[in-house]
Amino acid sequence: GESVGLHLPTLSVQEGDNSIINCAYSNSASDYFIWYKQESGKGPQFIIDIRSNMDKRQGQRVTVLLNKTVKHLSLQIAATQPGDSAVYFCAENESGTASKLTFGTGTRLQVTL
Amino acid sequence: DAGVIQSPRHEVTEMGQEVTLRCKPISGHNSLFWYRQTMMRGLELLIYFNNNVPIDDSGMPEDRFSAKMPNASFSTLKIQPSEPRDSAVYFCASSPSGSRADQPQHFGDGTRLSIL
Repeated sequence: GESVGLHLPTLSVQEGDNSIINCAYSNSASDYFIWYKQESGKGPQFIIDIRSNMDKRQGQRVTVLLNKTVKHLSLQIAATQPGDSAVYFCAENESGTASKLTFGTGTRLQVTL
Repeated sequence: DAGVIQSPRHEVTEMGQEVTLRCKPISGHNSLFWYRQTMMRGLELLIYFNNNVPIDDSGMPEDRFSAKMPNASFSTLKIQPSEPRDSAVYFCASSPSGSRADQPQHFGDGTRLSIL
């Protein structure tokens, strides 16, 4: 992950459509990945995680895909709802560094009615 | 179940004053983390504890910052003296076991700190 700059990338999606949020990571030694959702005025909230021995994991309305070849992670949200509007962060953990996470830059998801 | 609890939620103080932020991790969690979030730098790890012992404090900006964890249910982050550039949202997070990498961290709702 890299430090966020002044401007967060924004994804605008219509209610009911599917959303795909992407994240590129740089550390090939990372073996555990998490997606967090952060609403205004709140702390990051755990959504879903995936280990490096998997390439796909599904939760309720969310799916995380991991492509280790190109070091890419994505979060898919099905039937996006207004309550999904938030900033989404990916985080990675390097093998051997216990619980220490490195956070990505974040993507703002705006759901339009 | 109660999540991570931070206090105060908001703090406004003048530069030079001492600031103490407090955190109560989730009961049974062995690891505790302090982060700082700003628009410019995003979410930065300041320090983390495992079983009340500081493991990595390389993210602490300077000697004005200190953190303690006197017991498994309480931690403090102190800034003395505070400066306007310390203004940020400070988050505390906890996870079940610091020795395992595949454990998500659970965050509190943060303390919004403004130094005038």
